[in-house]
Amino acid sequence: DIQLTQSPSFLSASVGDRVTITCRASQGISSYLTWYQQKPGKAPKLLIYAASTLQSGVPSRFGGSGSGTEFTLTISSLQPEDFATYYCQHLNSFPLTFGGGTEVEIK
Amino acid sequence: EVQVVESGGGLVQPGGSLRLSCAASGFTFSSYWMSWVRLAPGKGLEWVASINEDGREIHYVDSVKGRFTISRDNAKNSLYLQMNSLRAEDTATYYCARSAVCDGGRCYIDLWGRGTLVSVFS
Repeated sequence: DIQLTQSPSFLSASVGDRVTITCRASQGISSYLTWYQQKPGKAPKLLIYAASTLQSGVPSRFGGSGSGTEFTLTISSLQPEDFATYYCQHLNSFPLTFGGGTEVEIK
Repeated sequence: EVQVVESGGGLVQPGGSLRLSCAASGFTFSSYWMSWVRLAPGKGLEWVASINEDGREIHYVDSVKGRFTISRDNAKNSLYLQMNSLRAEDTATYYCARSAVCDGGRCYIDLWGRGTLVSVFS
């Protein structure tokens, strides 16, 4: 099974900061990776798919990159509504797995 | 409105059973893979099971194989998760999810319900 390791697991940042979250796969997954945002008590929201494609309606301050085993989610200028938990998920093969999550908190 | 709405969660004792349902509306249900994903208290998201458009291809996470059964009724626009032999570690909010954003041979989850809470306790 493919394992996804996210880092950091917790991040404290200020509004306007540039934030980078990393997701590492235990084996190559091409570009079959997606990023979700989840706020407490809410359903996850699709941000990025196929590693780098921005989902329709998602602000352009969100960006994804990477292929193979290392991927990044970047928020170019953190906004108040971006404080949430972020997850990566691979779709290379079953079982599909999520990373452990990165909680982004207001500093 | 395009949406999926889960129901059927509740309190159950270890070893018990529950059947979750997911009602889809606003889109052609029979055209998409569907999945169940769960979020346990204090933990991260966990993929549970997926089923293809006609129900002939099904996959499960190892921890639920032999205990959970995913199914669908395209005539009723509904997805189900039959959960048997429930354990404390199955306690979670269970989300119904649609995979409709496709790229390079893969379809990504783009629509989630609000979830239904399953609590397993003695």
